Amino acid sequence: DTGVSQDPRHKITKRGQNVTFRCDPISEHNRLYWYRQTLGQGPEFLTYFQNEAQLEKSRLLSDRFSAERPKGSFSTLEIQRTEQGDSAMYLCASSFSSTGTGAEKLFFGSGTQLSVL
Amino acid sequence: SQQGEEDPQALSIQEGENATMNCSYKTSINNLQWYRQNSGRGLVHLILIRSNEREKHSGRLRVTLDTSKKSSSLLITASRAADTASYFCATDVAGGTSYGKLTFGQGTILTVHP
Repeated sequence: DTGVSQDPRHKITKRGQNVTFRCDPISEHNRLYWYRQTLGQGPEFLTYFQNEAQLEKSRLLSDRFSAERPKGSFSTLEIQRTEQGDSAMYLCASSFSSTGTGAEKLFFGSGTQLSVL
Repeated sequence: SQQGEEDPQALSIQEGENATMNCSYKTSINNLQWYRQNSGRGLVHLILIRSNEREKHSGRLRVTLDTSKKSSSLLITASRAADTASYFCATDVAGGTSYGKLTFGQGTILTVHP
């Protein structure tokens, strides 16, 4: 177990292109989270999954954003028709919760830095 | 929107000194957590304190929680240059439909000079 891994580490794209990021959580973790972080700010919640079910989506997640977690394992975050305002660090995190409620400690990946030109 | 607000935004100290960071939040919580982030990296969990706890220790870290004031503090004792990082508080908001997610503050940038 090497922790949460994210791919790619860096992505440069032109405005209007689609991009997809992948996150592989810690294998026994049932929860997976996506956050977005811009320079000088704290991470902002985007969405999270419990197993394969997407339980909550932030209003920040416009219809250009879609996240999936097939079979409750890895997850992908796709951004369609990218805009310059999408430039940010996209962080994935995972955790294990046995109670079904409450947030336990999160294990973060190193993030994917997206630059939209 | 950010649930927690950290104070100060930036803190600069000498090695060996103690560093105290504060976090205020707005709504009832299940727990409050502190994370550290080195530049350009992911966040690392430091400590979790539940709403029915008032103080927790972990190594050189001491966290307090005052739910009546909706505030928390993180104390790092005998700081080292390697403690230089951004520190974030994060709250697990109680009730409603927000269970299971953490809401982060804007962070405190700590610089420890050798």
